[in-house]
Amino acid sequence: EVRLVDSGGALVKPGGSLRLSCEASGFIFESYPMNWVRQAPGKGLERVASINTRGAYTYYLDSVKGRFTISRDNGKNSLYLQMTSLRVDDTAVYYCARDVVGSTMVDYWGQGTLVTVSS
Amino acid sequence: SSELSQDPAVLSVALGQTVRITCQGDSLSNYFASWYQQRPGQAPVLIVHGKNIRSSGVPDRFSGSSSGTTASLTITGARAEDEADYYCNSRDSTYQVIFGGGTKLTVL
Repeated sequence: EVRLVDSGGALVKPGGSLRLSCEASGFIFESYPMNWVRQAPGKGLERVASINTRGAYTYYLDSVKGRFTISRDNGKNSLYLQMTSLRVDDTAVYYCARDVVGSTMVDYWGQGTLVTVSS
Repeated sequence: SSELSQDPAVLSVALGQTVRITCQGDSLSNYFASWYQQRPGQAPVLIVHGKNIRSSGVPDRFSGSSSGTTASLTITGARAEDEADYYCNSRDSTYQVIFGGGTKLTVL
């Protein structure tokens, strides 16, 4: 069974930092590109960052470039999102999600972890 | 283009009525959209992808279609348990995932 378990969300002050983690199981993690997708309260889905299978290529939403870093450890079946200089508008539930090359599918999602940026 | 326009944003239908949600964007001339259902407090779930392929366990009242730059999700005979938010997605010019703005469906 494919499983993605997100963790690391917390209440943090503006300007602070946080590291999210996603532990994958039930599939060959190193074979899939991965995404972090967020959802602000009452809003829609927004892809924040993505990474290819080996971690050599990363892509970011313009508003998080230079502040967020996506990475992965294929040996530990884990995906990470290092977030710095956090802003109030980064407040959201963050989901890790598995990408399927050759389609538009994001076929499996973590349960989400809540990041709240507030003073 | 890196945008998907999803309509309507809000939709209320009677039990048993047919629902149609559309998703429009230039990228849809190159890709089949995927569709997700999200119930309150839960993560999105993939329900339809490719050329009208339903995920395992998804009832056949859900169907997807495509024409030009527009993709559609149809629910034939909406049920109370279909009340949820629905999202389409495609890929942008750099092959990154993009999402439509979502449709909030209420079944009365």
